[in-house]
Amino acid sequence: GNSVTQMEGPVTLSEEAFLTINCTYTATGYPSLFWYVQYPGEGLQLLLKATKADDKGSNKGFEATYRKETTSFHLEKGSVQVSDSAVYFCALSQVSNYKLTFGKGTLLTVNP
Amino acid sequence: DTGVSQDPRHKITKRGQNVTFRCDPISEHNRLYWYRQTLGQGPEFLTYFQNEAQLEKSRLLSDRFSAERPKGSFSTLEIQRTEQGDSAMYLCASSLEGGRVSGNTIYFGEGSWLTVV
Repeated sequence: GNSVTQMEGPVTLSEEAFLTINCTYTATGYPSLFWYVQYPGEGLQLLLKATKADDKGSNKGFEATYRKETTSFHLEKGSVQVSDSAVYFCALSQVSNYKLTFGKGTLLTVNP
Repeated sequence: DTGVSQDPRHKITKRGQNVTFRCDPISEHNRLYWYRQTLGQGPEFLTYFQNEAQLEKSRLLSDRFSAERPKGSFSTLEIQRTEQGDSAMYLCASSLEGGRVSGNTIYFGEGSWLTVV
């Protein structure tokens, strides 16, 4: 079956630090890959996505590249802000039904 | 486009009572999903609809859970005889299959928190 493994948190950084959150997946075929963000007390918001190998998704300074050879989709940001504090979820979906499989989430806290 | 909306946002109920959650998807989205999220975990798939047809149900969806989407628009998720283990956030999401604009992206609502006491 499908699965997503992402680095366990919590991750604590100072403002303007570089961020990497690792994500690897197991799936058959060619899934689409996503990063969702969840702010305290809220639902999930799509942060970025990539639908095929070597695609790079980007949004709000965050980037992730679909690496089929390493089955990875690591999230990066060059300079984090306090407002980036949230839980980040890596997820995949199969084209056939678009059902999402999520990782357990990584809590990021950015201090001023 | 007003996004996916869910009601109520919070519900506290006594064990053994029935609860119902409503989800209004993004207009014209033909797929609607329900997920459950417990503290410290990622969302887990429960079920999804294509228009009014319920196409898949997770084994997480016990007999006490029932979901409907009678006219292919809004959906309800009912939990009968609630148990403390049902305490979680219930997330609804929608997508447009085959849509070029959305690219089949799944959009989530803000969730309905259930606390069973």
